[in-house]
Amino acid sequence: DIMMTQSPLSVAVTPGESASISCRSSKSLLHSNGITYLSWYLQRPEKSPQLLIYQISNLASGVSDRFSGSGSGTDFTLKISKVETEDVGIYYCVQFLEVPYTFGAGTKLELK
Amino acid sequence: EIQLQESGPGLVKPSQSLSLTCSVTGYTITSGYDWSWIRKFPGNKMEWMGYISNSGSTNYNPSLKIRISITRDTSKNQFFLQLNSVTTEDTATYYCARYIWELGVMDAWGQGASVTVSS
Repeated sequence: DIMMTQSPLSVAVTPGESASISCRSSKSLLHSNGITYLSWYLQRPEKSPQLLIYQISNLASGVSDRFSGSGSGTDFTLKISKVETEDVGIYYCVQFLEVPYTFGAGTKLELK
Repeated sequence: EIQLQESGPGLVKPSQSLSLTCSVTGYTITSGYDWSWIRKFPGNKMEWMGYISNSGSTNYNPSLKIRISITRDTSKNQFFLQLNSVTTEDTATYYCARYIWELGVMDAWGQGASVTVSS
């Protein structure tokens, strides 16, 4: 299985400041078709996971452009700029390159 | 707009089977894509369990392969999860979701069904 390692596991951010979350995979997520199958999700309290970013850096429909993704191969970063109250929750990176699809451990974002 | 909703017992006894239904509205499950089950354990760990494709083929997480079965009822636009021989380790919130393999995303999720395994 592809192991997904996220860091940090928790972060406290002052509203209006930025936050970054890292994700590393144990294998390159670049498919032979040229697509890198790395997505980011946010699970707000008592809600289902919501797709934020797919294929490293593509913003999902309806998602604020304060979210951005970057990286390649095995190293990826999610950046949240100007953090707001609604950004509180758990962030997961997920690989969809091969089954079993695997998730990072999650990063809990809280406000200071 | 597509919507998914999980339903089933919230309490299951150890050694018994866990059965959940995912009802889909706004999209026909035979039209395309894969239909997955994912669970979230206490403590936030997430696990992909398996999927049934629009053609009816299945793919399971090897860690569950001997215990899991995903089936469907196309007339009701529903798909199902059965997990056999459950233990307390299977206590989790279970989600169904649509997987779009061309994009590599699970773009629509149910609200989740909390299942506790306890005697």
